[in-house]
Amino acid sequence: DAGVTQSPTHLIKTRGQQVTLRCSPISGHKSVSWYQQVLGQGPQFIFQYYEKEERGRGNFPDRFSARQFPNYSSELNVNALLLGDSALYLCASSLVTESSYNSPLHFGNGTRLTVT
Amino acid sequence: AQSVAQPEDQVNVAEGNPLTVKCTYSVSGNPYLFWYVQYPNRGLQFLLKYITGDNLVKGSYGFEAEFNKSQTSFHLKKPSALVSDSALYFCAVRDRYSSASKIIFGSGTRLSIRP
Repeated sequence: DAGVTQSPTHLIKTRGQQVTLRCSPISGHKSVSWYQQVLGQGPQFIFQYYEKEERGRGNFPDRFSARQFPNYSSELNVNALLLGDSALYLCASSLVTESSYNSPLHFGNGTRLTVT
Repeated sequence: AQSVAQPEDQVNVAEGNPLTVKCTYSVSGNPYLFWYVQYPNRGLQFLLKYITGDNLVKGSYGFEAEFNKSQTSFHLKKPSALVSDSALYFCAVRDRYSSASKIIFGSGTRLSIRP
């Protein structure tokens, strides 16, 4: 089975622009989460979507938004880019259900976003 | 608030020697603890988890972790290190009071195994 796939792998944007990152989960996984990993730090939780609904949001500004599609793929959008948004953006899928809160996350290889 | 701490930015070990990567946690209630590994330019890979039961948890690639409730620690161990174990290791705890996928990661420990 294919793992979590993310596109694009690399992206260079200018301050003030908007960006859309895409993620396809492992087949059968209905939960998709997004994390931001700044160089030298651990990943920080941005969003979780489950069954096309937002189930959790981290401490990120409203410039960050996401959605999940009927096929469980997901997009992360960031508006009005700042230099500080430069990071590796990781998507993770899991078999989360109400009774399996300890399911591990399966990560994609990420999208490296550079804002200049 | 739930949190994890990794006190060492880098751990250096000779190949064939045992290795330990330290992690301490702060949670209310019973913790759900994880270890992930990250190779250069890659996402994180799940190594092992502690939910309940035996304090010694075995995971992928010969790694294991020891849960110590009294010391609030969850150290990652391997009896004999390989050069290929060189990577960035993250300890993590699931936030029990938020989304099921809200995992809180430590700052990471870079493990370097010399031949």
